Amino acid sequence: AQSVTQPDIHITVSEGASLELRCNYSYGATPYLFWYVQSPGQGLQLLLKYFSGDTLVQGIKGFEAEFKRSQSSFNLRKPSVHWSDAAEYFCAVGGGGDYKLSFGAGTTVTVRA
Amino acid sequence: GAVVSQHPSRVICKSGTSVKIECRSLDFQATTMFWYRQFPKKSLMLMATSNEGSKATYEQGVEKDKFLINHASLTLSTLTVTSAHPEDSSFYICSASSREGPYNEQFFGPGTRLTVL
Repeated sequence: AQSVTQPDIHITVSEGASLELRCNYSYGATPYLFWYVQSPGQGLQLLLKYFSGDTLVQGIKGFEAEFKRSQSSFNLRKPSVHWSDAAEYFCAVGGGGDYKLSFGAGTTVTVRA
Repeated sequence: GAVVSQHPSRVICKSGTSVKIECRSLDFQATTMFWYRQFPKKSLMLMATSNEGSKATYEQGVEKDKFLINHASLTLSTLTVTSAHPEDSSFYICSASSREGPYNEQFFGPGTRLTVL
């Protein structure tokens, strides 16, 4: 069975500071990994995805993530956060023939001025 | 990019009534659609998977008679919450996958906020 752990429930970061959100997955084969962002009352927006190839993935809004198979991790990073980055972030893993995704519990990011 | 819409975005209904939520893929054919439920400050819980022309597959613990899912065409899936009660109040999100694009990629709708009085 596939699963995702996001160890940090809530992170507060100053505007302009760097941000890193942790994601650890459990999956028996090659995983397909995703990061989504959700603003209050909104649906999910895809930030980036990893299917294969280069383990450092660039996404939208200046985000990047690195796939580390040895650590079963797919951490999300942004060098300098903006107030608009305050949101809920979800890591997800898939790969089975049923096309299902398993989501982590989410990390709430608060940006302080 | 692929666009998925949901209608309505918000609905308020009385206890005991039924509510239908539509999920449409606007610019691609969605072979598979998923329905999720999200409680406040919580992650997404997969309710069911529907393939066009087939019966939906429900996750364990989800009442299929309570949450009726229909996927009659490649662009439309509906979720009907029957005899809704206050505990059914939640944020419902659909997603769609074409199975032609990148593997496992789901495109999400904006969600529907259901409030049952």
